[in-house]
This record gives sequence, structure tokens and C-alpha cells, in this order.
Amino acid sequence: DTEVTQTPKHLVMGMTNKKSLKCEQHMGHRAMYWYKQKAKKPPELMFVYSYEKLSINESVPSRFSPECPNSSLLNLHLHALQPEDSALYLCASSLVQGWDTDTQYFGPGTRLTVL
Amino acid sequence: SQQGEEDPQALSIQEGENATMNCSYKTSINNLQWYRQNSGRGLVHLILIRSNEREKHSGRLRVTLDTSKKSSSLLITASRAADTASYFCATVVTGNQFYFGTGTSLTVIP
Repeated sequence: DTEVTQTPKHLVMGMTNKKSLKCEQHMGHRAMYWYKQKAKKPPELMFVYSYEKLSINESVPSRFSPECPNSSLLNLHLHALQPEDSALYLCASSLVQGWDTDTQYFGPGTRLTVL
Repeated sequence: SQQGEEDPQALSIQEGENATMNCSYKTSINNLQWYRQNSGRGLVHLILIRSNEREKHSGRLRVTLDTSKKSSSLLITASRAADTASYFCATVVTGNQFYFGTGTSLTVIP
């Protein structure tokens, strides 16, 4: 299984809502990533988890809260978002963070719209 | 920013022609990777070239790397309509930090 799955595919939420994005992989990868991508822009790294521990937080606002319950699952909890947070949120995984020939496997993304 | 710059931003070619896109970056790298993204979807890894390699091939893809100029190019030969996508280079530095370039949008006209 070489797939990263993300749910939901689309999400519309109000600024006062609380929602979560889910990402799952069963490739035995020990590094997982959240990216944010605006239209016609490259993905921007948000968070990195390595062996279920938060390794990198790229100064992301606290209204985004990541969680890695186990080695296969990565969540992104959303609360009090702003309209400018509307974007495609991509999850990725790789075998081990820091391995210099590592490649990342991406999920299809969650299209988030904040009203 | 360590983000790479790609050019051209957009490229439109006829099916069967070759497509070349370039990536320039700013810092020393461990490797450089190219990814493809179909509209609004996830990225798919295409090819990886290490910092001590100069050229690599994979099917219809040819990647070159010039570390002295901090640049790389991706050549897609005999393009097909299915190659229509955005292409991103990703520079990988110590600690496996990925930095994606600005991307090239390729349209292959049947």
C-alpha cells in the first residue's frame, strides 16, 4: 500500500467552528507532514512529525493544532480560522525524516473554505 | 527564503514536443527532487538527483543538476496531453527540510 489518504476531500467551515483534518498512511513511514497550499503557489510546510513527536513547527498560528496519535495517523485540528486560511491542505509522509535520499508521498489534499 | 525559483512560470507546447523547465535555488543541498501536481491534487514524486550527481534519467524524464550554479533542469521528451500539470522542484537540505520552488505550469496541447 503506497497511498496516503486524507479526509475529508472538501470542508466548508465558519470562523467559529471546530473541525479536524485526518491523514493516514500504512507504509510504515515514521515522518509525517502538513503543508498548506494556496492557488497557484507551492506547498508551504506547516508541521513535521518524526516518530510521533512534533519535530518542526514553521511558526504556524495556534488556531492550527496538529496531533499524531500513532505512527499511521496524523490529524490537524482547526479552530477559529480566518477566511485567509482557505487553501488546499496536503499531508505527506516519508520513511524517516533526515534521510538525505528520502522522498515524500502526498495525499490528495483537503480543500478547505472558511466563510 | 530558501525557496527555489522556477522558470518559466507557464509553458504551453504541442503534443510530441519536448518541455524544459528550470529551477534555481539559494543554499547548499543534499538532493533535489521534482514533483508533479495535477490540478488541485496531491504531489507525485518524479525523480531525485543527489548533490554529487550531474544527470539522471527516468523514462521520458531527464534531470540535470549544476551545484556550482545552484540550478537544475527537468526535460520531458515527447510530451503527451497527460503531462499537463504543475511541476515543482524541491530542494532538500540538512534534516530533510523540503523547500518547494515556485512551480511551472505545463500545458500540452493535443
